[in-house]
Amino acid sequence: AQSVTQPDIHITVSEGASLELRCNYSYGATPYLFWYVQSPGQGLQLLLKYFSGDTLVQGIKGFEAEFKRSQSSFNLRKPSVHWSDAAEYFCAVVLFSGGYNKLIFGAGTRLAVHP
Amino acid sequence: DTAVSQTPKYLVTQMGNDKSIKCEQNLGHDTMYWYKQDSKKFLKIMFSYNNKELIINETVPNRFSPKSPDKAHLNLHINSLELGDSAVYFCASSTGRNTDTQYFGPGTRLTVL
Repeated sequence: AQSVTQPDIHITVSEGASLELRCNYSYGATPYLFWYVQSPGQGLQLLLKYFSGDTLVQGIKGFEAEFKRSQSSFNLRKPSVHWSDAAEYFCAVVLFSGGYNKLIFGAGTRLAVHP
Repeated sequence: DTAVSQTPKYLVTQMGNDKSIKCEQNLGHDTMYWYKQDSKKFLKIMFSYNNKELIINETVPNRFSPKSPDKAHLNLHINSLELGDSAVYFCASSTGRNTDTQYFGPGTRLTVL
């Protein structure tokens, strides 16, 4: 069955440090992949997405992600974390079902940022 | 000019009551969704409507009844509320095309006492 795994439930980094959030997917065909961010008490905001083409995609707020088919991964990175990046991050894959699509989410990774 | 809006933002109620959550999108999208986020932050799709027609129903108890009066609105009515219904409910919309992004509302935190 199609699924998304985010191995890290909670990550803490210092402000200014680099960040990598892991995401692995299980999907038979070429996946359509997303990263969303949820700030405390807020809805989900799209950071970036991958459908095809260049495997390194750039998103908002200085984030990027790299699709690696051989590793079934779509890890999110940021070279220098800001305190405002503290939030919950969700990786998701589109599942096509009955002619329509739906998002399958990972369990999320909570990012804490130390000053 | 909010793209996807939900009301109310917070909802506290007693077990056994019936409540509704409203969702509206002004993006001109054809497809709308309801997701449930549980206490562990896990997000799962509940329903999806395309042009007012139900297209996805993820084995949700029939106490939950979505209603779409037009393609800009998708409301969620919940009968006989139970403790386990406590969660954050998110509405989302998209064009429905495979590659399209889903845009999420701010969520409604439902607490059942």
